[in-house]
Amino acid sequence: DTAVSQTPKYLVTQMGNDKSIKCEQNLGHDTMYWYKQDSKKFLKIMFSYNNKELIINETVPNRFSPKSPDKAHLNLHINSLELGDSAVYFCASSQDLGVGAQYFGPGTRLLVL
Amino acid sequence: GENVEQHPSTLSVQEGDSAVIKCTYSDSASNYFPWYKQELGKRPQLIIDIRSNVGEKKDQRIAVTLNKTAKHFSLHITETQPEDSAVYFCAALGEGSARQLTFGSGTQLTVLP
Repeated sequence: DTAVSQTPKYLVTQMGNDKSIKCEQNLGHDTMYWYKQDSKKFLKIMFSYNNKELIINETVPNRFSPKSPDKAHLNLHINSLELGDSAVYFCASSQDLGVGAQYFGPGTRLLVL
Repeated sequence: GENVEQHPSTLSVQEGDSAVIKCTYSDSASNYFPWYKQELGKRPQLIIDIRSNVGEKKDQRIAVTLNKTAKHFSLHITETQPEDSAVYFCAALGEGSARQLTFGSGTQLTVLP
């Protein structure tokens, strides 16, 4: 069974569109994350979220918003997509916020044209 | 916030030789230091981690050392094999409101047969 899964795997869209990426984990973890990996492979935290708090990296534009219907799911909504949003987006989860190992999903490759 | 620097950015070794990757961190309150391996087109995968109350940890051909005073930690891979070729990331977990992983910029390791 896949521990952390994401859909879609690839996403190609036009500038200005709104899109969502879904993430699910079956590890029973309480905390989920979104990371952005740019073309230079640099991994940067965007959000950390559990049922108690949302921590937002201050550099993330407010066009990006996480939405969690339950603790096993954390979706990423992106409004008004820009060329610079093109990247690989990874979801991850851990037992709790600031606790232990994080396990990553397979990534969503977003290309904005 | 936390700042993690990683060196070298690229490293080539002959099969069977050892490889060492070094990282420094800025926040003395950081207490958890994982290492991730990312193969081309794949997700980052945790290979080893160390907590601040431990100086060294080994797992078969992989070891990590931590020097809290100097605020640096290193990954050591012995008897390298071609399948060790990948990008390796170090990371540090901050304390308090910054309980997020900050990643180094990555090291592309190439093991030459």
